[in-house]
Amino acid sequence: GIQVEQSPPDLILQEGANSTLRCNFSDSVNNLQWFHQNPWGQLINLFYIPSGTKQNGRLSATTVATERYSLLYISSSQTTDSGVYFCAVTVTSGTYKYIFGTGTRLKVLA
Amino acid sequence: DTEVTQTPKHLVMGMTNKKSLKCEQHMGHRAMYWYKQKAKKPPELMFVYSYEKLSINESVPSRFSPECPNSSLLNLHLHALQPEDSALYLCASSQSPSGEQFFGPGTRLTVL
Repeated sequence: GIQVEQSPPDLILQEGANSTLRCNFSDSVNNLQWFHQNPWGQLINLFYIPSGTKQNGRLSATTVATERYSLLYISSSQTTDSGVYFCAVTVTSGTYKYIFGTGTRLKVLA
Repeated sequence: DTEVTQTPKHLVMGMTNKKSLKCEQHMGHRAMYWYKQKAKKPPELMFVYSYEKLSINESVPSRFSPECPNSSLLNLHLHALQPEDSALYLCASSQSPSGEQFFGPGTRLTVL
């Protein structure tokens, strides 16, 4: 089945630093989302980005579907950015599949 | 309103108990999902309902029984669970089975 790998698995940043999180997937996908999971477990929607580039404040994302990866950029990080970041893909050819990536655990230090 | 609600927030149950988790959305979404998330792992899909019909069951043990009474509600009935079933149970919905998913806050389940 399709594999979805994220890197790095763990990341520690000083407040104000920038970072890039990567999501690689092993097969064609129809949709891709980025989520931030806060310490209480809530999954917060960041981007719905099957292809192209989107920006929302300090965050932006790019998906290159033909090369099977997506990137999430966090600029001027804040302590509230801490948590786990997941990408999640949907495959709709044949049997539908909904797969979460392995996650990146981010800690931003004050 | 882009909110998915889940009740209860926390649940502790014994292995012989019967309990239910509830999920509700009022966004007019026609697909609803149950995921299970163990500590320090990504969420894993359990069930998908599309237009109120069960469309995906990811080989989940029969002690978990989903139900979709109407297009806004999704239940997960629990019976004879094992301690290893302790996890965060997340509900999600989307406009269609291929659309953007929105998640509820989850139910943190502990099985004693």
